Amino acid sequence: ETGVTQSPTHLIKTRGQQVTLRCSSQSGHNTVSWYQQALGQGPQFIFQYYREEENGRGNFPPRFSGLQFPNYSSELNVNALELDDSALYLCASSLRSGRAVNEQFFGPGTRLTVL
Amino acid sequence: AQSVTQLGSHVSVSEGALVLLRCNYSSSVPPYLFWYVQYPNQGLQLLLKYTSAATLVKGINGFEAEFKKSETSFHLTKPSAHMRDAAEYFCAVSDRGLTGANSKLTFGKGITLSVRP
Repeated sequence: ETGVTQSPTHLIKTRGQQVTLRCSSQSGHNTVSWYQQALGQGPQFIFQYYREEENGRGNFPPRFSGLQFPNYSSELNVNALELDDSALYLCASSLRSGRAVNEQFFGPGTRLTVL
Repeated sequence: AQSVTQLGSHVSVSEGALVLLRCNYSSSVPPYLFWYVQYPNQGLQLLLKYTSAATLVKGINGFEAEFKKSETSFHLTKPSAHMRDAAEYFCAVSDRGLTGANSKLTFGKGITLSVRP
């Protein structure tokens, strides 16, 4: 069973640029959630994708967007990068079955630095 | 709205001593509660979860937590600390009974556990 993987591991960008982060969900999972973890803070929910549609969003501006693909992998896109976007971005996959959503399994994260 | 409070940012114990990491939550509905551990440069690993069954929950690596509704608490304990327990620990809350729409985890700020030889 393959766990959640994320790429790249590290990324350095400059203000105003755009970035795409990728996540492959665990085998059998159909739901992907993205979290932002700033230094010294707990993860904050960005959004969740289920069946290729956004299924809930946290308090993040529209320049944070995402995609989910038919194989349940996902991308997080951030436009017009700001210094405060520097953080560890975590992807978590889970299985939504009926009305229940089970445990979220986290990937190792992508460390984004904005200069 | 849900929230989690983890008092103190750093706890230091001696190897073999009791570990107690505190978590208090706020939720308008009966919650699901979780403890996650994060080792340096790694993602989050689930230690244990409360989902309305027994109020005393046992997890991996000898950790356990007790759900106390009257105190809105879900403190994490381990009878005897080991050097390998040094890590960041996060308490999280999720709404119970959601269909999956916006079934997010709300995390506390985390507590760094140091273990002295």
